[in-house]
Amino acid sequence: EPEVTQTPSHQVTQMGQEVILRCVPISNHLYFYWYRQILGQKVEFLVSFYNNEISEKSEIFDDQFSVERPDGSNFTLKIRSTKLEDSAMYFCASSRLSDRANYGYTFGSGTRLTVV
Amino acid sequence: ILNVEQSPQSLHVQEGDSTNFTCSFPSSNFYALHWYRWETAKSPEALFVMTLNGDEKKKGRISATLNTKEGYSYLYIKGSQPEDSATYLCAFTADKLIFGTGTRLQVFP
Repeated sequence: EPEVTQTPSHQVTQMGQEVILRCVPISNHLYFYWYRQILGQKVEFLVSFYNNEISEKSEIFDDQFSVERPDGSNFTLKIRSTKLEDSAMYFCASSRLSDRANYGYTFGSGTRLTVV
Repeated sequence: ILNVEQSPQSLHVQEGDSTNFTCSFPSSNFYALHWYRWETAKSPEALFVMTLNGDEKKKGRISATLNTKEGYSYLYIKGSQPEDSATYLCAFTADKLIFGTGTRLQVFP
């Protein structure tokens, strides 16, 4: 069964450093998403991406965040200057174009980011 | 602000017990309601996507119902097994998923 792959599974970084979280979505999916869950809180939407551009982003997704699909297979989330409150589990997800309401999203297993 | 609530927050049951939990969501502008099963260190796994009022879906011992007019969905597990232990997330969707807090289920042998 096709999977969404995320790397690394766990990243520890110092406050102020840049991090790049990587995702390989399912190959025939066209919508891509990043979500995060801070420990003990709800899973929160960050950004959706379609046709090589951001289609929607949340208030959390400020200028410190960016996404890219550099080579047609990877989908990355960059945090420019990490803060302690960025510590969370970050999930990548993808969905097919025409039936994403009916088909569901496929999630990766997440990257646990710890900012120290 | 769209809010999705789940209850209870956690649930402990004995193997063999049947159980159910609730997801409440905004009843206006309904598009679809998703249920996910999330085990620690694994990907959230899609269980059901429900779109029609009165929908009832089943997958093995797990089933779900949907009431879009009053804004709730129930997830039922019949004859719980230890391997059912996980967090069950519901999510309301338009262009993006808005998740509830989840119900953490623990099934004791």
